[in-house]
Amino acid sequence: DTGVSQDPRHKITKRGQNVTFRCDPISEHNRLYWYRQTLGQGPEFLTYFQNEAQLEKSRLLSDRFSAERPKGSFSTLEIQRTEQGDSAMYLCASSLDTLLGPQHFGDGTRLSIL
Amino acid sequence: GNSVTQMEGPVTLSEEAFLTINCTYTATGYPSLFWYVQYPGEGLQLLLKATKADDKGSNKGFEATYRKETTSFHLEKGSVQVSDSAVYFCASLHGEGGADGLTFGKGTHLIIQP
Repeated sequence: DTGVSQDPRHKITKRGQNVTFRCDPISEHNRLYWYRQTLGQGPEFLTYFQNEAQLEKSRLLSDRFSAERPKGSFSTLEIQRTEQGDSAMYLCASSLDTLLGPQHFGDGTRLSIL
Repeated sequence: GNSVTQMEGPVTLSEEAFLTINCTYTATGYPSLFWYVQYPGEGLQLLLKATKADDKGSNKGFEATYRKETTSFHLEKGSVQVSDSAVYFCASLHGEGGADGLTFGKGTHLIIQP
């Protein structure tokens, strides 16, 4: 079990640039989640995939954000025209396709907008 | 919407003290409940869970009981160690098949002094 892997660990970029993060879930997990965590807060849900289908999106996910999971394995989260408020830790989690099962988290990608 | 409220920290205790971290949730349906822990420099790890009323989750000496009547899931440990110093997050999972994602509290920073 290699766990959930996220890349990169850190990303520093200028305001207005586009960024893309990658998440590799645990291999047998078909559910994948993205969360955002700011300092002093708990993670906030962004979006959810079951296999390749994006089934749920939070209102936090503005139209500058897009997520994909093209083959039901790894996922990418892209932020276009980044803003200062996008600075946060972006977390990916995966779980088995069982009712309300536990989610396993990656170490996250920390995004800093200059 | 769904929400989780947990006691604010930091909570500072001496080694071998008794620990309680309070957590309450909004009762829309019958969520699964979780405690996650984040050790310094590490990602979120599942500590324990309970999926229905009166269930008790336990792990590493920590326990929490799902109390439907008080909508609570308080975390307890009889004798804490310095190595328990971390941030603890209470979370609920609602929605059909977990599609809504986890709802987290803000986290409680626990500091154990030798």
